[in-house]
Amino acid sequence: DVKVTQSSRYLVKRTGEKVFLECVQDMDHENMFWYRQDPGLGLRLIYFSYDVKMKEKGDIPEGYSVSREKKERFSLILESASTNQTSMYLCASSGTGGSYEQYFGPGTRLTVT
Amino acid sequence: DAKTTQPTSMDCAEGRAANLPCNHSTISGNEYVYWYRQIHSQGPQYIIHGLKNNETNEMASLIITEDRKSSTLILPHATLRDTAVYYCIVRQINAGGTSYGKLTFGQGTILTVHP
Repeated sequence: DVKVTQSSRYLVKRTGEKVFLECVQDMDHENMFWYRQDPGLGLRLIYFSYDVKMKEKGDIPEGYSVSREKKERFSLILESASTNQTSMYLCASSGTGGSYEQYFGPGTRLTVT
Repeated sequence: DAKTTQPTSMDCAEGRAANLPCNHSTISGNEYVYWYRQIHSQGPQYIIHGLKNNETNEMASLIITEDRKSSTLILPHATLRDTAVYYCIVRQINAGGTSYGKLTFGQGTILTVHP
């Protein structure tokens, strides 16, 4: 089974802190994604990566950056956390063959105070 | 990617079939229909996908109308653990460039399975 793990289930940070959210997948997938999920807004794509060191902006990249130094790991970085970044963050991965279905991690609930 | 329309919520009795509809009237020829679900406090889970033929796997069946403008996800014997938000998503698989992996989630249908 595909396994996507995220570094924390719950995280509390202060405004202005630099925050790292880590995601690791064990299926040698080329594509990795970061979403955030908020009530009433559904899932929104922040960034995705289709190869090591490659990235593309999603629908809401402002205030975020990403890093993909190794194929299995995709990091989301909040350079200076703000309260409006309080959210559930979901990581996903997918291969490039077949149906491209995405496999999601359990999510990190981030609270910025 | 084409837009989808789903009912906000549905109820189903345990043991009965749950039929979740989705309208995608602007779907184009190279777009697939995907279904995901999200159980409370978990990440979304892939269920099934199809292009034009009906599909079945161990989780569900997908019925796509002949004109491809709508589809129905069928959970043949719903259990309490099937209570979740179900998302119908339409997207291209091989759009070229680097956008082929993107999923656009709508609001989905909240399915509640009752004892």
